[in-house]
Amino acid sequence: QSALTQPASVSGSPGQSITISCTGTSSDVGSYNLVSWYQQHPGKAPKLMIYEGSKRPSGVSNRFSGSKSGNTASLTISGLQAEDEADYYCCSYAGSSTLSYVVFGGGTKLTVL
Amino acid sequence: QITLKESGPTLVKPTQTLTLTCTFSGFSLSTSGVGVGWIRQPPGKALEWLALIYWDDDKRYSPSLKSRLTITKDTSKNQVVLTMTNMDPVDTATYYCAHRNTAMDSFDYWGQGTLVTVSS
Repeated sequence: QSALTQPASVSGSPGQSITISCTGTSSDVGSYNLVSWYQQHPGKAPKLMIYEGSKRPSGVSNRFSGSKSGNTASLTISGLQAEDEADYYCCSYAGSSTLSYVVFGGGTKLTVL
Repeated sequence: QITLKESGPTLVKPTQTLTLTCTFSGFSLSTSGVGVGWIRQPPGKALEWLALIYWDDDKRYSPSLKSRLTITKDTSKNQVVLTMTNMDPVDTATYYCAHRNTAMDSFDYWGQGTLVTVSS
């Protein structure tokens, strides 16, 4: 069981788009379309932003979108805003039906310049 | 409205057993498709999933911590309890409980978290 791999940091200017990658293996990201993404502001609990790879919960801005290719999932934020500055974590279902578990990524700090 | 709140000791000694309680409202753990999970976050570090319990009492554990963890539920009290044995300073973290929605395969509601420090 290894954490999913994310870049430690990304940055962008207001109005720009950024993409955060999340690389796993054929045992997690590659086998299931069950990647979720969480936003966490300092001192706060994580907030669900994307589930099942590309679906947005009610109330989440359509500036947030998710996708997957092979063993890598991605979160794209378009039209960057100051309030998007936060840590972002990917998460995937992993294992098999008899020995399933959940694994998070190492997190990515987004800086809005 | 779904809410969750973690409670337990803020300080435990090395080798002791930690017991955390997640008290929730707005849903029932006897409803099909519902689960409650525990996730922790050491200061300045990443989230780490620990355990998950479902409405049918199916339990899942982090493979790396499985030998130290036990998760149980009390449906009548709307509570989920996590115990972690043989605590070590590296287990110092904020511990979160979260609602697991199997229809979305994600943690859609989170508690505020509780900081547990392991120190002698």
